Amino acid sequence: DAKTTQPTSMDCAEGRAANLPCNHSTISGNEYVYWYRQIHSQGPQYIIHGLKNNETNEMASLIITEDRKSSTLILPHATLRDTAVYYCIVREDKIIFGKGTRLHILP
Amino acid sequence: EAGVAQSPRYKIIEKRQSVAFWCNPISGHATLYWYQQILGQGPKLLIQFQNNGVVDDSQLPKDRFSAERLKGVDSTLKIQPAKLEDSAVYLCASSWGKGPYNEQFFGPGTRLTVL
Repeated sequence: DAKTTQPTSMDCAEGRAANLPCNHSTISGNEYVYWYRQIHSQGPQYIIHGLKNNETNEMASLIITEDRKSSTLILPHATLRDTAVYYCIVREDKIIFGKGTRLHILP
Repeated sequence: EAGVAQSPRYKIIEKRQSVAFWCNPISGHATLYWYQQILGQGPKLLIQFQNNGVVDDSQLPKDRFSAERLKGVDSTLKIQPAKLEDSAVYLCASSWGKGPYNEQFFGPGTRLTVL
């Protein structure tokens, strides 16, 4: 079962930063936080993952709180192509997808 | 680098018929996954292969679903007989290794409609 809680949907204006929250209050010490996204009619796409430290790559930044009970995925300059369902996943052994957050980028 | 290939992209069958899906993972990827995604839900793992061996098939309805990965490369997923509730997108993914820290690359999926 999914061990994360995410808002069902969010809106963000094009060009602004999109901040997607995820609660994972029961996370254990060996579990990573993973983010995938799924654009309409496509398979999911890996974005980023982290354990304790904040992480950044060419797609996004991942901010993990010090107690590791929540995290935020940041898309620094959202574009219309970032409209998708974003999945936050916390597991040690395998990827289990919840319902995710449907992000709408508004022109 | 070529991505994960799946075929067919769409399939419509009547209930009680049989259907098979094919997946060709990224070259060199040892781990292959089949997921079922029902409309409005996240993908659900059906089966995971490491090379040609099954790692996890706990969510696979074994009375009607079967999968194989002969020679540790291509894989097929079969449903026999299909039920209405099997209508979904079937996604194949592959990764270098079997742990979740190995990025999974997904194919475009096969959309199955059971009438």
